[in-house]
Amino acid sequence: QPVLTQPPSSSASPGESARLTCTLPSDISVDRYSIYWYQQKTGRPPRFLLYYKSDSDVGRGSGVPSRFSGSKDFPANTGILFISGLQSEDEADYYCMIWPGNAVFGPGTKLTVL
Amino acid sequence: EVQLVQSGAEVKKPGESLKISCTGSGYNFPNYWIAWVRQAPGKGLEWMGIIFPGDSHTRLSPSFQGQVTMSVDKSISTAYLHWSVLKASDTALYYCARPAIVDTAIVDIWGQGTLVSVSS
Repeated sequence: QPVLTQPPSSSASPGESARLTCTLPSDISVDRYSIYWYQQKTGRPPRFLLYYKSDSDVGRGSGVPSRFSGSKDFPANTGILFISGLQSEDEADYYCMIWPGNAVFGPGTKLTVL
Repeated sequence: EVQLVQSGAEVKKPGESLKISCTGSGYNFPNYWIAWVRQAPGKGLEWMGIIFPGDSHTRLSPSFQGQVTMSVDKSISTAYLHWSVLKASDTALYYCARPAIVDTAIVDIWGQGTLVSVSS
């Protein structure tokens, strides 16, 4: 099972943007996979936010605002979740996931909105 | 309304067995996979595996093979997660969830979670 890397924490102020990363191991290319992103607030089940495969293959979960978007940094072998116009309600843990035959979650990033 | 309702919290001792449940409603239960996800206290999400209620086909993640069993009774729209020998390390919150029919990685319906505590 591949091991995904996410920074344990990130912080930004309301109205600013956040860029959360999910790095794949060097032996698997981010180009091959859709990167799925989940949000989990304290005491709640996770919520599917979006997936990003390419600019022409993206999907957002029901009710997820457009200020959540995905992309990839190919040289860094990384999937990116971008959140613009941060709001206090965005404070949560964010998990990336890939599906190499079975789902693999990253360790999660705790986003603090200061 | 589409929903998954899980059984209540459990307190068990190491070595005991346990079966927790997840009942779906508001949709055609046999046609959608059910996933199980573990979250240890203060830790991240771990994908345990999925089961297809229509034929009970199961795909367990390698980390959980031999550790748990998944089953389903489609006549009552209920999926189960079963341990024959619990360990303290099984202490966690267990979510059942329903992946989307078009992409099993898109998990858009979640149960409320079942807290399992294993301690001597």
